Amino acid sequence: AAGVIQSPRHLIKEKRETATLKCYPIPRHDTVYWYQQGPGQDPQFLISFYEKMQSDKGSIPDRFSAQQFSDYHSELNMSSLELGDSALYFCASSLYVAGGLTDTQYFGPGTRLTVL
Amino acid sequence: DQQVKQNSPSLSVQEGRISILNCDYTNSMFDYFLWYKKYPAEGPTFLISISSIKDKNEDGRFTVFLNKSAKHLSLHIVPSQPGDSAVYFCAARGSQGNLIFGKGTKLSVKP
Repeated sequence: AAGVIQSPRHLIKEKRETATLKCYPIPRHDTVYWYQQGPGQDPQFLISFYEKMQSDKGSIPDRFSAQQFSDYHSELNMSSLELGDSALYFCASSLYVAGGLTDTQYFGPGTRLTVL
Repeated sequence: DQQVKQNSPSLSVQEGRISILNCDYTNSMFDYFLWYKKYPAEGPTFLISISSIKDKNEDGRFTVFLNKSAKHLSLHIVPSQPGDSAVYFCAARGSQGNLIFGKGTKLSVKP
């Protein structure tokens, strides 16, 4: 079965540069979530989209922005990168179910961002 | 403040025996819980979930138990296999639909 695709898998940037991470959800999934996992940490929610509209925000810095496109893929744009932005960035997708009780999130393999 | 807690950072079990991974939560409004398995350099893989209207859910070798009064859930793996060695994350679905994760428990299953 098709899974969530993320690109690139690895990215190295310098401080103050910009990075764009891409996420392609499972076909027919309408909701995308972005998470950041620092070294030795649990994944932290950044932002989510449902049907191409931003649905919720977590602990996402103002330097970051994201959007979901008409084909449901999503991009996370990160500007003025800082050393502390080095982390694994996961995208997850789900299919919204009325009542929301069973909309399990399926994760991509992640993008490892290293800021030098 | 950590809303989902996995107090055991690691667990070692002999192959064929039962692995029990524990998870506690603080928010009684959580209504859906999930367990994910994660290998290094890979994304979390969904294992099993449970709704707060149930106290048990079973899928093959994996069973999740939920004790709402104690705000506690556990994942049982029987029998444990070496391929089960990974980090296991407990997660609760938050009010925004996002997942709130515990810190994870590293399970090592020894042959």
